[in-house]
Amino acid sequence: DGGITQSPKYLFRKEGQNVTLSCEQNLNHDAMYWYRQDPGQGLRLIYYSQIVNDFQKGDIAEGYSVSREKKESFPLTVTSAQKNPTAFYLCASRGEGRKTEAFFGQGTRLTVV
Amino acid sequence: SQQGEEDPQALSIQEGENATMNCSYKTSINNLQWYRQNSGRGLVHLILIRSNEREKHSGRLRVTLDTSKKSSSLLITASRAADTASYFCATDANTNAGKSTFGDGTTLTVKP
Repeated sequence: DGGITQSPKYLFRKEGQNVTLSCEQNLNHDAMYWYRQDPGQGLRLIYYSQIVNDFQKGDIAEGYSVSREKKESFPLTVTSAQKNPTAFYLCASRGEGRKTEAFFGQGTRLTVV
Repeated sequence: SQQGEEDPQALSIQEGENATMNCSYKTSINNLQWYRQNSGRGLVHLILIRSNEREKHSGRLRVTLDTSKKSSSLLITASRAADTASYFCATDANTNAGKSTFGDGTTLTVKP
């Protein structure tokens, strides 16, 4: 069953703590993306990667970091530098860049406690 | 600022009625996509329309694209309560590679 899996579904972070959100896909897609969604709003791009061992900042990269050591994995770390991390985080992947649609995971809801 | 903007922000209709949502964008695009999101879930792709296409159909969905007006519309015919969700348009500009820009979405409520 091909798809994209995010974990955990819910995550709680204490002030000053780094947390890592997992994103795995078995669709053999080259491109992967992380988006942030705040209540009632659209998606804002945090980071994206078009190929293994390469990634670029999106529109709101400050306070976040990523790695792309394997084609199927694109974890996102929310660092303590991100002052307002409470949000819904969505990971997506695409094949062949601009020619195809994106496939999304089910999201991780991060809450600062 | 967001590339795509949906209109209206919220739409409430009765089951069986048609629902029309609009999306406007600012720069030249390679393609435009429509996605659906149920509350608290990920997005599901509905239709992708390329810049050289004017209309596409998929089941009860009809999407139009007018590149001269930089706008698109999504029509859902004979709506069902299960169509209740948020709908987003996303655009791929000619200058980037697979990096879609999303609007803020239209929240559709279909009353049984």
